[in-house]
Amino acid sequence: DAMVIQNPRYQVTQFGKPVTLSCSQTLNHNVMYWYQQKSSQAPKLLFHYYDKDFNNEADTPDNFQSRRPNTSFCFLDIRSPGLGDAAMYLCATSRGGMTGELFFGEGSRLTVL
Amino acid sequence: DQQVKQNSPSLSVQEGRISILNCDYTNSMFDYFLWYKKYPAEGPTFLISISSIKDKNEDGRFTVFLNKSAKHLSLHIVPSQPGDSAVYFCAASGHGSSNTGKLIFGQGTTLQVKP
Repeated sequence: DAMVIQNPRYQVTQFGKPVTLSCSQTLNHNVMYWYQQKSSQAPKLLFHYYDKDFNNEADTPDNFQSRRPNTSFCFLDIRSPGLGDAAMYLCATSRGGMTGELFFGEGSRLTVL
Repeated sequence: DQQVKQNSPSLSVQEGRISILNCDYTNSMFDYFLWYKKYPAEGPTFLISISSIKDKNEDGRFTVFLNKSAKHLSLHIVPSQPGDSAVYFCAASGHGSSNTGKLIFGQGTTLQVKP
């Protein structure tokens, strides 16, 4: 029973063509996160929502935006993808709190041509 | 500036032996640490965690040790099984006053357990 679902699993786009990745959850968790993971690197937090409160990491490029229209859904928008944005994008959820376990989706792999 | 580091990209052990995966951190504000396991084409899944008030936490074949003075933690898997072959990520949280549970991850260590 998938609890955090990401779509699409694989996305190919052209340089500069906007992309939207989606994430949905059935856990009713307060917090939703977007991580970017490049090959052999640590997953890097881009931003997260605590309920409707948006929290951007200081080093997240402006090219990356996010929307959370309701508790269940969260979107990652890449306005003008560059070659350097090719990566695995991981969505995760948690109840919040410093000891909260994160539940991850299977990821969306973005290729930029 | 990587706050959580896993300096060994890969580790290979024989089935039945002990696997020891290491992790170092730099931020003394971290007070909760987790290990995640990731199979290919799947998202990371939670494995085991430890609070900074403890120095050891055990769950079946998996034990995590924390040395706060050295800012070091390790994951022991004993006995190792071929199904344990995966990428293992160390993660930390608790810096600052954030209550959103965001985690800082290490780069991961790929464990291969040979039959």
